[in-house]
Amino acid sequence: GENVEQHPSTLSVQEGDSAVIKCTYSDSASNYFPWYKQELGKRPQLIIDIRSNVGEKKDQRIAVTLNKTAKHFSLHITETQPEDSAVYFCAASWGAGNKLTFGGGTRVLVKP
Amino acid sequence: GAVVSQHPSRVICKSGTSVKIECRSLDFQATTMFWYRQFPKQSLMLMATSNEGSKATYEQGVEKDKFLINHASLTLSTLTVTSAHPEDSSFYICSARDLAGGVVSAEQYFGPGTRLTVT
Repeated sequence: GENVEQHPSTLSVQEGDSAVIKCTYSDSASNYFPWYKQELGKRPQLIIDIRSNVGEKKDQRIAVTLNKTAKHFSLHITETQPEDSAVYFCAASWGAGNKLTFGGGTRVLVKP
Repeated sequence: GAVVSQHPSRVICKSGTSVKIECRSLDFQATTMFWYRQFPKQSLMLMATSNEGSKATYEQGVEKDKFLINHASLTLSTLTVTSAHPEDSSFYICSARDLAGGVVSAEQYFGPGTRLTVT
């Protein structure tokens, strides 16, 4: 089955700096890679996703890149703000509607 | 966007009792729902895939007789934790997929989660 590794497990950045989280996946059949933000005790919220026919996607301060050959994808947050502090999860699946395999999560702390 | 609800949001039960958690898609039909478990400071682990009108598909290591799943309608799936023990205490989250766009482009929506504490 699919295995998703996520690094780092914790990330502390100064407000205004950029944050980068990296994930690798094992199943070359996976073609859908979402990123979720989860605040304590809340549901995961989809913040951005990318499909395997695209190499990069951007939405305001958030961008995701995908390298299918190397089987890794990354989340980039620019101009970080304190409200960006949360746990971020990457995931992979074949098709957006199929079961997701999650990475281990990255706890991001943005220091004012 | 589509809304998925869960009930209850929190439940405390005694060891040995059973607890039922409901997952509802409020404004779309969900032929498939997924049940995840999340321990404190850990990731979401898929427990099972719930299919409307058929038996659930359980992930390796998940006891189907302990975690009973019923997906009786297109908007409701239930997870029953039978003979609960303290080690079952966790955050249980469901998700449902809207197949309006087909399986490849379908969207998946998460419920708010249910925090189960077994004493």
